[in-house]
Amino acid sequence: EDQVTQSPEALRLQEGESSSLNCSYTVSGLRGLFWYRQDPGKGPEFLFTLYSAGEEKEKERLKATITKKESFLHITAPKPEDSATYLCAPHLGTGGFKTIFGAGTRLFVKA
Amino acid sequence: DADVTQTPRNRITKTGKRIMLECSQTKGHDRMYWYRQDPGLGLRLIYYSFDVKDINKGEISDGYSVSRQAQAKFSLSLESAIPNQTALYFCATSVTREADNEQFFGPGTRLTVL
Repeated sequence: EDQVTQSPEALRLQEGESSSLNCSYTVSGLRGLFWYRQDPGKGPEFLFTLYSAGEEKEKERLKATITKKESFLHITAPKPEDSATYLCAPHLGTGGFKTIFGAGTRLFVKA
Repeated sequence: DADVTQTPRNRITKTGKRIMLECSQTKGHDRMYWYRQDPGLGLRLIYYSFDVKDINKGEISDGYSVSRQAQAKFSLSLESAIPNQTALYFCATSVTREADNEQFFGPGTRLTVL
């Protein structure tokens, strides 16, 4: 059975305190992995797509990396405006459409 | 700006009532999706449509139906609402492109079934 686990469930950081969020998965036929950001009361917003082990992508203070079994979202010197829930979602190449969303990591950044 | 909109944004209804959630998009995307989100769980796919004549069941379609009225409109119906359908519902769109399927989400509809 395809599974996605994100850890930790919640993370509290001080402004400027760098850290990483983890997304581990056991899936068949991985074609890509998405990262989304979700603010309270809003729909998820696309951040990155990663396709193969070793790939990295960056956007402002965020950098996403991927291995064969997990992906990390590294946050460097976070600011309060980075507070949100971060979702990872492996996209599978099986028949039909299948993107499996993790439950997310809630990030709180205190000034 | 091209956008994905959902109506209503909030809805409270009673067990057994029929309810329709509507989604419209101005992005010109062919693909549209309905998800539900529950606390502590990931987004789960209810139905998806790759074009007007193509409707497919997702992971949790029981108790739901959909209608793709046009490229820009995709509606989700609960024929007889029950309390465990209380959730946050999202509509999403994506382009028809094999390699990339990043989705663009609407603002969500918070549904409460009493």
